[in-house]
Amino acid sequence: GQNIDQPTEMTATEGAIVQINCTYQTSGFNGLFWYQQHAGEAPTFLSYNVLDGLEEKGRFSSFLSRSKGYSYLLLKELQMKDSASYLCAVMDSNYQLIWGAGTKLIIKP
Amino acid sequence: SQTIHQWPATLVQPVGSPLSLECTVEGTSNPNLYWYRQAAGRGLQLLFYSVGIGQISSEVPQNLSASRPQDRQFILSSKKLLLSDSGFYLCASGQGEIEKLFFGSGTQLSVL
Repeated sequence: GQNIDQPTEMTATEGAIVQINCTYQTSGFNGLFWYQQHAGEAPTFLSYNVLDGLEEKGRFSSFLSRSKGYSYLLLKELQMKDSASYLCAVMDSNYQLIWGAGTKLIIKP
Repeated sequence: SQTIHQWPATLVQPVGSPLSLECTVEGTSNPNLYWYRQAAGRGLQLLFYSVGIGQISSEVPQNLSASRPQDRQFILSSKKLLLSDSGFYLCASGQGEIEKLFFGSGTQLSVL
């Protein structure tokens, strides 16, 4: 079967750095997405990786290793507004998105 | 970029009552449209997707149905709601095979 694993919850301190991991087992691979979702709101797109390596976008970076079935989202200089759930999703060989359950990130002052 | 309008934001319905959730898209044409349900602590579950007017694919057999009467309009319906239909419903729009999804603001449905 297809599976996406992420930690359920993480806690970090304002101003610090946090890394949210995602491992996947899917039938084929056509890219990995990260979305941010604040409580009670819709997910918003953060990043897309289809090749191995690190993609940096401001305070957020996303890394992909296809051989390991592994990605991480790195958030630097954490702000209180970064408190949200972070969803990992993989597009399989049929171009269907498989979603992880999300990681709830709690930022403490 | 696209804007997804979804309403209502919250809905409380009795078991056995009908349902109609509407979603409209601005800023694009011929998008792929999706209905997702999100249960607390769970990943997004794809319910229906559509690649064009009148073309609906169902991912999960259930008492829900979807229709796409116009290019940028997507409707989720039920004739008789079940308690298990409670959840957070999200409409999404995307284009192309490798597509970034734009989501509506969601509808929190409580079936009592």
